[in-house]
Amino acid sequence: AQSVTQLDSQVPVFEEAPVELRCNYSSSVSVYLFWYVQYPNQGLQLLLKYLSGSTLVESINGFEAEFNKSQTSFHLRKPSVHISDTAEYFCAVSASAGGTSYGKLTFGQGTILTVHP
Amino acid sequence: DAGVTQSPTHLIKTRGQQVTLRCSPKSGHDTVSWYQQALGQGPQFIFQYYEEEERQRGNFPDRFSGHQFPNYSSELNVNALLLGDSALYLCASSLGFYRGTQYFGPGTRLLVL
Repeated sequence: AQSVTQLDSQVPVFEEAPVELRCNYSSSVSVYLFWYVQYPNQGLQLLLKYLSGSTLVESINGFEAEFNKSQTSFHLRKPSVHISDTAEYFCAVSASAGGTSYGKLTFGQGTILTVHP
Repeated sequence: DAGVTQSPTHLIKTRGQQVTLRCSPKSGHDTVSWYQQALGQGPQFIFQYYEEEERQRGNFPDRFSGHQFPNYSSELNVNALLLGDSALYLCASSLGFYRGTQYFGPGTRLLVL
């Protein structure tokens, strides 16, 4: 089974400042990792994913995350945030091969990012 | 290219009633997963359907059941509703039941009174 811990429930930051949203996971098998974003009263949108290959993955809107296997982490970063980045961000994990968790996503509790002008 | 669609968007029921939620997957996808997101929480996996069969199930009671149709659309049924079933129900679709990246719909918000 997998578990995900998002270390900050809320992160306030000023516009154009850098931000890091922290995510740690636990798993006995190899994993795929995801970040989803949820705007108020909406569903989840895929932000970026790590399946294999380069441990640094990027989104089209300037976010990046790095898979660190030794630290079991997948922190999300952005060098300069905008007001429009205000949303809730969820880190998720799924087993990459075999086991009872194959094919299902396990989510963290979410981090609310609030960008102030 | 239509994304994942869900209906209805909102629903109000009373305790003991039954509810059916519907989901149409993204074009080209063949797998549907359902999640429950309680207020202030991350989504919790309910079950996943592929080739019209339930392939994976989370820790939800048998009151939660589902179905997948030949056109890959899916329904989530909840019987004997409890107050605690109030939540946002999210449908996600993917290509392949174990390796596809899941894309989510807008959700159905269910309120049980």
